[in-house]
Amino acid sequence: KAGVTQTPRYLIKTRGQQVTLSCSPISGHRSVSWYQQTPGQGLQFLFEYFSETQRNKGNFPGRFSGRQFSNSRSEMNVSTLELGDSALYLCASQLWPGTANTEAFFGQGTRLTVV
Amino acid sequence: AQSVTQLGSHVSVSEGALVLLRCNYSSSVPPYLFWYVQYPNQGLQLLLKYTTGATLVKGINGFEAEFKKSETSFHLTKPSAHMSDAAEYFCAVSMYSGGGADGLTFGKGTHLIIQP
Repeated sequence: KAGVTQTPRYLIKTRGQQVTLSCSPISGHRSVSWYQQTPGQGLQFLFEYFSETQRNKGNFPGRFSGRQFSNSRSEMNVSTLELGDSALYLCASQLWPGTANTEAFFGQGTRLTVV
Repeated sequence: AQSVTQLGSHVSVSEGALVLLRCNYSSSVPPYLFWYVQYPNQGLQLLLKYTTGATLVKGINGFEAEFKKSETSFHLTKPSAHMSDAAEYFCAVSMYSGGGADGLTFGKGTHLIIQP
């Protein structure tokens, strides 16, 4: 079966712009989580969505937001981009919420570069 | 709050030698523990996880890890390294809270180098 699909794979944006990243989970999976990966801070949890509702949120400013659609596809948006937002953004798909119960499958990520 | 410490940002071993990647965690409640591997330009792949039960956990590609509560550790081992094991390895922890587990908290990662 198809894996987690993130689009686009690479993105270059200018400071102050906004960006939207997309994640299509594995068919049948209803939970989607987002993570930011940077060399300095490592992997950090952004938020998790299940049944179109945000269940958990990490410690990120309000410029970072997301949503989930009825088909479980998810988007995350970053407004007023800063240089520090340059990162690899990873999406994880799970059958249900709860990392203990079901495996999280990660996409290949979207590499965002802010110039 | 939970946290994960991975000792050694880079570990180099010879092909065929023992691989040992160290992970210590901090958690106020019994944690769920994971090891993930990341190859260049790829997402993360789950190697193994500990939730409850047997403290020695076997994963894919010959890796295993042992949960030691007294030492708050979850070190990853493989008896014999292979060139294909060269990658970035992440230890992670999550806790069950309220209606479900929190997101994963990752360590900084350990880059495993395999010498021929």
